[in-house]
Amino acid sequence: ETGVTQSPTHLIKTRGQQVTLRCSSQSGHNTVSWYQQALGQGPQFIFQYYREEENGRGNFPPRFSGLQFPNYSSELNVNALELDDSALYLCASSLDSQAYNEQFFGPGTRLTVL
Amino acid sequence: DQQVKQNSPSLSVQEGRISILNCDYTNSMFDYFLWYKKYPAEGPTFLISISSIKDKNEDGRFTVFLNKSAKHLSLHIVPSQPGDSAVYFCAASAYMDSNYQLIWGAGTKLIIKP
Repeated sequence: ETGVTQSPTHLIKTRGQQVTLRCSSQSGHNTVSWYQQALGQGPQFIFQYYREEENGRGNFPPRFSGLQFPNYSSELNVNALELDDSALYLCASSLDSQAYNEQFFGPGTRLTVL
Repeated sequence: DQQVKQNSPSLSVQEGRISILNCDYTNSMFDYFLWYKKYPAEGPTFLISISSIKDKNEDGRFTVFLNKSAKHLSLHIVPSQPGDSAVYFCAASAYMDSNYQLIWGAGTKLIIKP
């Protein structure tokens, strides 16, 4: 059983551009959550997908969107990048959508917006 | 408004001694509290959790204590080992904005000295 993987590892974009980050969940996990972790802070919940439908959302604008596919992969898309979007983006998969159950995290994608 | 606070950015402990990591929260509606550990260049990994109806949960060397009246929880690691050197995040689960979310603290970097 492979763990959660994310690609790319690092990414540099300029303000106004669009970016797609990818995540491959553990097999059998039907829930994926995405988090943004700014430097020196804890992860902040962006949204969660359960069986390919958005199941919940944190305090992030609509330019943050996502997709979840039947093959346990998912995407985080960010439009109109802003400098404050520079952060580590983490995805986490779990067996169900309850936040209090164990989530398995990938190593993250470091996004830098110039 | 930080609902989950870890006031110590770092903590240094001698190998073999007890490590105590602290976390304070403000929201009485949190139903579960979780601790995650993070090594550099890796995603967080789940360590231990506690329901808000309990005051203690133990798993091997790790024990979490919850003091609801003080809105405070702590993670005890006994005895501390070099491999415990990592960043520890306290997180709390609550139903908000129509979904369950995890609210994270900023983390405490634990350094175990040989």
